[in-house]
Amino acid sequence: KQEVTQIPAALSVPEGENLVLNCSFTDSAIYNLQWFRQDPGKGLTSLLLIQSSQREQTSGRLNASLDKSSGRSTLYIAASQPGDSATYLCAVTAPTGANSKLTFGKGITLSVRP
Amino acid sequence: GAGVSQSPSNKVTEKGKDVELRCDPISGHTALYWYRQSLGQGLEFLIYFQGNSAPDKSGLPSDRFSAERTGGSVSTLTIQRTQQEDSAVYLCASSLVAGAISYEQYFGPGTRLTVT
Repeated sequence: KQEVTQIPAALSVPEGENLVLNCSFTDSAIYNLQWFRQDPGKGLTSLLLIQSSQREQTSGRLNASLDKSSGRSTLYIAASQPGDSATYLCAVTAPTGANSKLTFGKGITLSVRP
Repeated sequence: GAGVSQSPSNKVTEKGKDVELRCDPISGHTALYWYRQSLGQGLEFLIYFQGNSAPDKSGLPSDRFSAERTGGSVSTLTIQRTQQEDSAVYLCASSLVAGAISYEQYFGPGTRLTVT
């Protein structure tokens, strides 16, 4: 059974700092990995999707990397801003397209201090 | 274009009552998923619909939970005889599927269910 772990559960940094959020998964046979952002009381916003054949994806100040063989992904946030404060979740899908249900980590709650 | 929508946004019900939660996926998305987010449990998969295939119900926690998808679009998640442990945020997502390839999942805002 796939398990996704995100440590630490919470992180507080000063504004402007570059930071890395970690995600690990137990079964390396994944189809893709998604990073999401969730604001309090809101749904999930997709940030980046990395296919299993890819090593990284970039969007603005965000860069996500994937090392499938070691079961790890990182989300790099450059020059963090208070508006980046949210919970960040990573999720992986099974290796076939028959049911690409997402298995989620419990998230990292990020607080960026002005 | 319009994203995934869910209704109601909040639902408070008494223990033992039935509830229906609705999801309108993105137009053209053939795959639809229901997830549940509970405090301390994180996000859990409930059920998956893809086109005309039989749904994958492997995540439903008990037979009090059921879902249907009419006309390949709108889906309804029904919880019968609600219990307090059913209190959670119920999230719906949809995605494109092409052959054996599933694409990015887009989530709705969720329905917050409180069972009193």
